Amino acid sequence: GAGVSQSPSNKVTEKGKDVELRCDPISGHTALYWYRQSLGQGLEFLIYFQGNSAPDKSGLPSDRFSAERTGGSVSTLTIQRTQQEDSAVYLCASSLSNSEEFMTEAFFGQGTRLTVV
Amino acid sequence: SQQGEEDPQALSIQEGENATMNCSYKTSINNLQWYRQNSGRGLVHLILIRSNEREKHSGRLRVTLDTSKKSSSLLITASRAADTASYFCATGQLGAQKLVFGQGTRLTINP
Repeated sequence: GAGVSQSPSNKVTEKGKDVELRCDPISGHTALYWYRQSLGQGLEFLIYFQGNSAPDKSGLPSDRFSAERTGGSVSTLTIQRTQQEDSAVYLCASSLSNSEEFMTEAFFGQGTRLTVV
Repeated sequence: SQQGEEDPQALSIQEGENATMNCSYKTSINNLQWYRQNSGRGLVHLILIRSNEREKHSGRLRVTLDTSKKSSSLLITASRAADTASYFCATGQLGAQKLVFGQGTRLTINP
């Protein structure tokens, strides 16, 4: 596709259930980022991938959160045993490169709005 | 934890006026980027300035970077109603490969 695609766009789930959020980055982009944004707030960094590896997982809020990326392309963010405080918009972005010498702009998807009831 | 802090948190001006937003950050950076967000969903990249640059222009946008003060400013000249959005700065940290965002400035342009 032409841009970053995220699915689903909206997800309502019951407290305690697991959810999977998907991100399809722009083809050829080696870097992929996940962020979380609560209403009216800034973007909270969760994790980034360089290829299939995740050098920095420090932003994941708890061990209920995990993410993987396969084939240097699609990424899945999984939240286990969801809690109400997990409700937020989850944003994915990709960039051509994120090396220090050649960091490029990030392209964002439209996000997944997660509501835990 | 957030790296950048935008100032002001909210700004309301008349159409045609200039809008200035500031961003301060804490650690050494490789580059700083500005993004715009409409309606709380995807962000759109506006401009990237590298740590060895001091000023950059793109259309009605002017960005400055002062690494000694760890601050940047975004100037939008001749504002339009369509510029109404939230604006975020993001830093590419030295020694890291991630983009860290600030809390954003909510800009409202009144017709």
